[in-house]
Amino acid sequence: KAGVTQTPRYLIKTRGQQVTLSCSPISGHRSVSWYQQTPGQGLQFLFEYFSETQRNKGNFPGRFSGRQFSNSRSEMNVSTLELGDSALYLCASSLEGAHTGELFFGEGSRLTVL
Amino acid sequence: GENVEQHPSTLSVQEGDSAVIKCTYSDSASNYFPWYKQELGKRPQLIIDIRSNVGEKKDQRIAVTLNKTAKHFSLHITETQPEDSAVYFCAASSNTGKLIFGQGTTLQVKP
Repeated sequence: KAGVTQTPRYLIKTRGQQVTLSCSPISGHRSVSWYQQTPGQGLQFLFEYFSETQRNKGNFPGRFSGRQFSNSRSEMNVSTLELGDSALYLCASSLEGAHTGELFFGEGSRLTVL
Repeated sequence: GENVEQHPSTLSVQEGDSAVIKCTYSDSASNYFPWYKQELGKRPQLIIDIRSNVGEKKDQRIAVTLNKTAKHFSLHITETQPEDSAVYFCAASSNTGKLIFGQGTTLQVKP
């Protein structure tokens, strides 16, 4: 079956703009988690959605938001972009939740903020 | 707070040697500990995981050990091969339902 798909794969924005990233999970997976990956910082947890509800949130400012649709597809939005938001944004889907079983990651969306 | 510390940040070994990566966690309620491997330019993939009701798990050349009392767990790779070169992430579940990742270890296996 198809893996986790993220779009767009690459994007360049300028400070102050906003961006929306999309993630389509593996069919049947109800949990979608988002992570920010930067060199030396590992995988920083942004939030997790399960059956259209935000189940958990990491320590990121309110400029970072997300949602999940009834088909389990998820989007995350970053408003008022800052240079420090440049990173690889990974989403991962799982059957019941990131804290219980295997995460299947997408290839990521690489955001560059100029 | 919820925290996972991973050491070392970089590790270089000769082909055929063993490699050990260690992680410590802060949440005593953590009960799920996966390890992910991320090859250069690729997505992270699960290589092995362990739950708190066991102390050790093996899968061919890789093994993970868990010490709940000391709150640390380790990844052991034996007979390393060049294709083992990658970034390895440990993670621990939290009592709030999150999965917290360590900072990653870049493993280089020299032929």
